[in-house]
Amino acid sequence: DVKVTQSSRYLVKRTGEKVFLECVQDMDHENMFWYRQDPGLGLRLIYFSYDVKMKEKGDIPEGYSVSREKKERFSLILESASTNQTSMYLCASSFRGRGEETQYFGPGTRLLVL
Amino acid sequence: QKEVEQDPGPLSVPEGAIVSLNCTYSNSAFQYFMWYRQYSRKGPELLMYTYSSGNKEDGRFTAQVDKSSKYISLFIRDSQPSDSATYLCAMSESRRALTFGSGTRLQVQP
Repeated sequence: DVKVTQSSRYLVKRTGEKVFLECVQDMDHENMFWYRQDPGLGLRLIYFSYDVKMKEKGDIPEGYSVSREKKERFSLILESASTNQTSMYLCASSFRGRGEETQYFGPGTRLLVL
Repeated sequence: QKEVEQDPGPLSVPEGAIVSLNCTYSNSAFQYFMWYRQYSRKGPELLMYTYSSGNKEDGRFTAQVDKSSKYISLFIRDSQPSDSATYLCAMSESRRALTFGSGTRLQVQP
């Protein structure tokens, strides 16, 4: 069964804190993605990775960085959290090649920055 | 103007009704079209996928793509309370990067 897990379901942090969001997939997928989801705005792509140690900026990368040291793990880092980063964060993964467009999502992490 | 427009709803229908969910888009290069379903406090799950124009049916669900009008639809027949969720359309030019609509919240009343 397809499985994408995220380290926390709910997180409360203070402005200026460094925040790590972890995502692990067990499907041997090459591609991994980080989105944020806000009411009325849908899902917006922050960063993605097509391979280990590879990363590319999405539509809204400002204020975020990522790390992919192992194929199954993709981390999203908020270097200095701000209140406008309060959001639902979703990780996804997909195969490379046929069916690449089929992304499998984790349950999400609701982050509140005070 | 957003690349993908989707009515946020909520759309409330009685059990057994036929539901029509729609998205319009502006980028004529989109060729992969998907519908995701998202239950409350869960991640989206893929419901339907179509490539280019045409119809695709899967059980009670039918996805329709009209590239000439830049319009996609999802039809749900014999809707059930368990169909109550947010439905997100998504589309892409290449296979990798998806552009999502903002989602339509559907409520099916028993």
